[in-house]
Amino acid sequence: DVKVTQSSRYLVKRTGEKVFLECVQDMDHENMFWYRQDPGLGLRLIYFSYDVKMKEKGDIPEGYSVSREKKERFSLILESASTNQTSMYLCASKPGGNYGYTFGSGTRLTVV
Amino acid sequence: AQTVTQSQPEMSVQEAETVTLSCTYDTSESDYYLFWYKQPPSRQMILVIRQEAYKQQNATENRFSVNFQKAAKSFSLKISDSQLGDAAMYFCAYRSRTGANSKLTFGKGITLSVRP
Repeated sequence: DVKVTQSSRYLVKRTGEKVFLECVQDMDHENMFWYRQDPGLGLRLIYFSYDVKMKEKGDIPEGYSVSREKKERFSLILESASTNQTSMYLCASKPGGNYGYTFGSGTRLTVV
Repeated sequence: AQTVTQSQPEMSVQEAETVTLSCTYDTSESDYYLFWYKQPPSRQMILVIRQEAYKQQNATENRFSVNFQKAAKSFSLKISDSQLGDAAMYFCAYRSRTGANSKLTFGKGITLSVRP
């Protein structure tokens, strides 16, 4: 089975800190995605990548950046964490073509 | 841009009964995919069922089936013989069929509870 692993299940950071959320997939998928999940808002796309070093903004990229130096790893970066970035972050990957997504188990980030 | 609307935030069903979760979407495209995902407390998003827009036949997976009305842009999920393990958040999602835009667009989700 394809695995998408998010490095932390829970994370607590201070306002202003630089935060890295890591996501690794083990099946050579081309596409990787970062979503943010908030109650009453569903999942919203922050950034996605369809190849190494390629990135595209999603619907809510403000305050975030991403890095994809290797195919298996897609990092979400909060340059200066703020309390309104307290949320659940979900990573997903997908091969090229008409195949399904595989999601990680999420990182619940609290910014205090 | 595509949008997905789930207007009911919560629903409840008695064990062994049938429940229908509603979803509508808006798109100008003619070829796309629609999905229902389940998210239990473990947070792992699980694909429940998928429908391809060019197929007229409604998708079915065991106790789960959809009512896909393309003209009305409606995509509801029916769960038959509800079980306690069906309790979860359910998300409706849309994806364009064109490969360059493979992102999923989600609705806000609905919390389903199952009464024993």
